[in-house]
Amino acid sequence: GAVVSQHPSRVICKSGTSVKIECRSLDFQATTMFWYRQFPKKSLMLMATSNEGSKATYEQGVEKDKFLINHASLTLSTLTVTSAHPEDSSFYICSASPQDYEQYFGPGTRLTVT
Amino acid sequence: QKEVEQNSGPLSVPEGAIASLNCTYSDRGSQSFFWYRQYSGKSPELIMSIYSNGDKEDGRFTAQLNKASQYVSLLIRDSQPSDSATYLCAVRTDTDKLIFGTGTRLQVFP
Repeated sequence: GAVVSQHPSRVICKSGTSVKIECRSLDFQATTMFWYRQFPKKSLMLMATSNEGSKATYEQGVEKDKFLINHASLTLSTLTVTSAHPEDSSFYICSASPQDYEQYFGPGTRLTVT
Repeated sequence: QKEVEQNSGPLSVPEGAIASLNCTYSDRGSQSFFWYRQYSGKSPELIMSIYSNGDKEDGRFTAQLNKASQYVSLLIRDSQPSDSATYLCAVRTDTDKLIFGTGTRLQVFP
């Protein structure tokens, strides 16, 4: 149990375009999901908390207009990177929790902006 | 600023030895602690969670928690080359967020 999927696993896009990443909890419902970004050889950095039915909560320094989050249902959250630039190239990972405490991560999406 | 600290390593141990990974945290009110394993290029995988002082064992893994010292550790017995990865310590905040350490890279050599 506690499986989280992400799609796509890899995406290459041109500078200025937008990219949507989906995160799904496959065997449980999640009112809250989390989006992280990880640069090479660095730790995970929380970007935002995605709340089903309400606005996401963004961490300090994360532009909410650039990283659009929509938690459309109890099993799906999407992250859209708008007007992507090469510095947005990173490993984006979502997580969700079937209980109160343990978070399970999706396999991640590697974004490359050319 | 709530912090979680880990030695970045690498920690090198021979196959079959015990690997000991350590983590300290700053928020004395923290109640939930987690160890994740992350292979290069992959996302983190939950290995252990611990909520009470003392030891918690699961197979070759033992998590140890000392809230008075604000210290969490992970012991890996009979280390295998497949255990070579980065181990992330995480502490849950009162808003359900996880604060991660920078991770300790473990290398198990044959």
